[in-house]
Amino acid sequence: NAGVTQTPKFQVLKTGQSMTLQCAQDMNHEYMSWYRQDPGMGLRLIHYSVGAGITDQGEVPNGYNVSRSTTEDFPLRLLSAAPSQTSVYFCASSPVTGGPYNEQFFGPGTRLTVL
Amino acid sequence: AQTVTQSQPEMSVQEAETVTLSCTYDTSESDYYLFWYKQPPSRQMILVIRQEAYKQQNATENRFSVNFQKAAKSFSLKISDSQLGDAAMYFCAYRSAGRHKLVFGAGTILRVKS
Repeated sequence: NAGVTQTPKFQVLKTGQSMTLQCAQDMNHEYMSWYRQDPGMGLRLIHYSVGAGITDQGEVPNGYNVSRSTTEDFPLRLLSAAPSQTSVYFCASSPVTGGPYNEQFFGPGTRLTVL
Repeated sequence: AQTVTQSQPEMSVQEAETVTLSCTYDTSESDYYLFWYKQPPSRQMILVIRQEAYKQQNATENRFSVNFQKAAKSFSLKISDSQLGDAAMYFCAYRSAGRHKLVFGAGTILRVKS
């Protein structure tokens, strides 16, 4: 199993450009989510999904869109990048009914810089 | 809304010594889970230890143990016999029972001196 994969690992954008961060998992997990990590703030939830066709907003959703057309993939779209979106982005997945802990598995992260 | 506070931005420990990282949280819920994650320079998030709120016994995983004080809403991580490989950022996280989203603290950077 590859686990949770994210592409790209690094990306530099100019203000106003758009791009999609890719996330895929091969563990058949229902739950997937996106976090951003900023210094002094830990990880904050952007969007999440509890299954294909279902998405919801997290703590900091503004400026980001998501969709979940398959169980495996959960892309994060930046429609018009802003310098405030410079961050490290993590995708995570977990089973919904895997037991009390439902451990979340994290991808390796994408470091995004917006100039 | 739940919040998690890690009041120590940085900590240092001598190799082979013991260090304790602090975490407090705020919630009105009675059923939840608490986690400590390690993030080495590789950026990978690694689950270190977890605790169920309804269990009074403190969780232990090899050299890692927690001191869970539910009434005080405190969840500290103790690392015994510290090793150079323990150097990393450590995050405390909270999750409500029946939900999936994690609420993270700001993190503590742990430095290990040889």
